[in-house]
Amino acid sequence: NAGVTQTPKFRILKIGQSMTLQCAQDMNHNYMYWYRQDPGMGLKLIYYSVGAGITDKGEVPNGYNVSRSTTEDFPLRLELAAPSQTSVYFCASSYSLAGGQEQFFGPGTRLTVL
Amino acid sequence: QKEVEQNSGPLSVPEGAIASLNCTYSDRGSQSFFWYRQYSGKSPELIMFIYSNGDKEDGRFTAQLNKASQYVSLLIRDSQPSDSATYLCAVNTYTGTASKLTFGTGTRLQVTL
Repeated sequence: NAGVTQTPKFRILKIGQSMTLQCAQDMNHNYMYWYRQDPGMGLKLIYYSVGAGITDKGEVPNGYNVSRSTTEDFPLRLELAAPSQTSVYFCASSYSLAGGQEQFFGPGTRLTVL
Repeated sequence: QKEVEQNSGPLSVPEGAIASLNCTYSDRGSQSFFWYRQYSGKSPELIMFIYSNGDKEDGRFTAQLNKASQYVSLLIRDSQPSDSATYLCAVNTYTGTASKLTFGTGTRLQVTL
């Protein structure tokens, strides 16, 4: 099992550019999440998905979009990148919500917007 | 706004001592509580979770939960230099449609030789 994988590991964007952060999991988890982590801060939930075709906003969704066409993949789209989106982005997945299941995290994508 | 609060530290303890990490949360409806460890530049990894009031032990780690006081803690016995990391407290709330984790900002632990 590869677990949760993310690509790319690092990326530098110019203001106004767009990009897609890729996330995939091979654990057949229903739930997937996107977080951002700013220096010295905790993780903030951007979007989450409870299954293929179902997504919902988290705490900080502005400037981002997601889709979930398969159980395995949950890409995060940044449109019109801004310096405020400079952060480390983590994708996570969990099996179910019953009892609050452990979330497994990917290695992260470090994004800089200049 | 549902919040999870932690002292950012750094908390410095000598090797072999007990490290005590604390976390308070604001949502009384929270049902489960997680401690994640995050090494610098790495992703969070689960250390322990606890659902019920009281203590839960796993090796050198003990999680303590007091729902009445809305307080959860993590004790690390016989602290080792390899325990030096940031410890994130996360609180899970089931909203009826989804299960969400709210993270604290983390406590940085330094274990000194």
